[in-house]
Amino acid sequence: AQSVTQLDSQVPVFEEAPVELRCNYSSSVSVYLFWYVQYPNQGLQLLLKYLSGSTLVKGINGFEAEFNKSQTSFHLRKPSVHISDTAEYFCAVRERSSGTYKYIFGTGTRLKVLA
Amino acid sequence: DAGVTQSPTHLIKTRGQQVTLRCSPISGHKSVSWYQQVLGQGPQFIFQYYEKEERGRGNFPDRFSARQFPNYSSELNVNALLLGDSALYLCASSLGFQETQYFGPGTRLLVL
Repeated sequence: AQSVTQLDSQVPVFEEAPVELRCNYSSSVSVYLFWYVQYPNQGLQLLLKYLSGSTLVKGINGFEAEFNKSQTSFHLRKPSVHISDTAEYFCAVRERSSGTYKYIFGTGTRLKVLA
Repeated sequence: DAGVTQSPTHLIKTRGQQVTLRCSPISGHKSVSWYQQVLGQGPQFIFQYYEKEERGRGNFPDRFSARQFPNYSSELNVNALLLGDSALYLCASSLGFQETQYFGPGTRLLVL
């Protein structure tokens, strides 16, 4: 079974500073990777996804992520954060298991943007 | 276009009771998946349905069941509720069972 590790449970950063949220996955085969954002008391919103092709993926709200197969990583970055980016961020990998496709999520990283 | 909708938004039950949660997928989507998100953790896969058939099941007890209707909406049922069932239950829809999943706002269940 695949697993996803988000090393940082919380990341505080000042407004307009850059941020990187780290994600590592376990699979050695081809993977589909996702980043979702969850605002307080809401569901998950898709930020971006890597299915194939270019290893640099651009998403919504100015976020981007880079797929690194050799390091089994899919780190999320934003060059300049805003207060409104304060939220929980989840990295996920799609796993095929017994005829179904399920998402395996990390434990999340809470991004807190400080004024 | 409307996204995934779920009802109710919040629910309070007592131990031993039964609960039914509902999900309407994005128009045109034929697959629905259910996840449980306990406070402070990432979502955990419960079920996936496609074309009204169960495609897969996560590591949850038989107290959890689900079904998908001809209009592709879905219900998740949980019997004999335990305190540990308190969580945010998320529904996700996708065009097919292999496609990208889009999540609804969730139903927050509190078991007392």
